[in-house]
Formats: sequence, structure tokens, C-alpha cells
Amino acid sequence: QMQLVESGGGVVRPGRSLRLSCAASGFTFSNYGMHWVRQAPGKGLEWLAVIGYDGSYKFYADSVKGRFIISRDNPKNTLYLQLNSLRTEDTALYYCAKDQDNDWNPDYWGQGTLVTVSS
Amino acid sequence: SFELTQPSSVSVSPGQTARITCSGDVVASKYARWFQQKPGQAPVLVIYKDTERPSGIPERFSGSRSGATVILTISGAQVEDEADYYCYSAADNNLRVFGGGTKVTVL
Repeated sequence: QMQLVESGGGVVRPGRSLRLSCAASGFTFSNYGMHWVRQAPGKGLEWLAVIGYDGSYKFYADSVKGRFIISRDNPKNTLYLQLNSLRTEDTALYYCAKDQDNDWNPDYWGQGTLVTVSS
Repeated sequence: SFELTQPSSVSVSPGQTARITCSGDVVASKYARWFQQKPGQAPVLVIYKDTERPSGIPERFSGSRSGATVILTISGAQVEDEADYYCYSAADNNLRVFGGGTKVTVL
């Protein structure tokens, strides 16, 4: 069955970097766009970024544009999110999600990985 | 503006109907979808393209639209439907946005 497993979260100091990974299985990863979405503690969902099925298209929310980089490795069935210049307000649970029909709309989600930015 | 507005909370008695609205300029001309999120769990898609229900989602979940407002209806709400519900739509051709979320209480 379809599975998305995020990893790479942890505690990091402000200004540092972190790379999140999302391992996909149970579907043809290279056929679908992928998303990152985050949820700060006790808060709502925030869409962050999407990447096309072949990596040729990447779009970002204004809140992370220029700091976060989405990428993918199709042979490894893995999605990435590079988090740079981290701020305390980036503390959140980070989810990856599969795109439904390559129309920039997610359907299936992983369980998330927690990033805590603290001095 | 790229905002989707939802009520913060909705309460319903078991077996009654809950309606959750989502409004905003962005949803006036774009399809919306709805996600259900139970505590400690990842979101689950319950409605897409305003009215379509994914396989495995109970028929009591339905979606509709009235102009610039989309509506998620839970007909005959069950205790297990207690969750946060988020609408989602296109902010423009390439950007996406979630509504602020609605906590549904069934009691």
C-alpha cells in the first residue's frame, strides 16, 4: 500500500540548516508531483511548496521562498526539503504529501517529522 | 487576497447534520478540497473538486458550493467524525492555501 515516511527532523539552533527527507513506496513516485506542508504546535496547516513529477517545476509559499528548497530523487523514490536560515517560527511538524493528479493538489500524506528551532 | 475563511468551531449532536463553510476570493473560481485531521494523525482527504468523495470515505461526507463559498456537510454525524477540518484551494495558478481550520465537536 501507499506509504510516505518523513525523516530528518530534530532540534536545531536559529540560523542553522536542516534537510528533511520523505521516502515513498507503494506507488510510482516518478509519476506524481509532491508537496511539503507544515503545522506549528496547536496551529493549522500551512502549504509550503510543490515540485513537479520530474522536478522541472517548483513553487513556494511566500513565507519560505528563498530559504527552503524542495527537490526530489526519483530513482531513490525520495523527496527532500532543505531548510536554511531557520527561525524559531519554523518550529512545526513537517508533512510530505503526494499530488493527486499533477494539478498541485495533495491527496495522501505521511505522518510528519518534527522540527524544533530553539537556542 | 489569498485567504480562506472558516469558522473556528462547529458543534453538532450525534446523528445531526454539521455544515462547515469556507469562503474567500480564491475559492470563487477554483476547486476546493477538504481534509480531516484527528488528534495526533495526519490529514486525510475527504472531498476534492468541491463535491467528489475519495474511495473509502463514508457517504455522510459531502461537498457543495454556493458562489464564493464551499461547504462540507456531515450528514448524520458520528462521534468518530470529531476532528479538525481544513479547506484547501489554489491561491493562484501555482500557489496553494489552507483555510484556518474548523474544530468539529460531536456531543
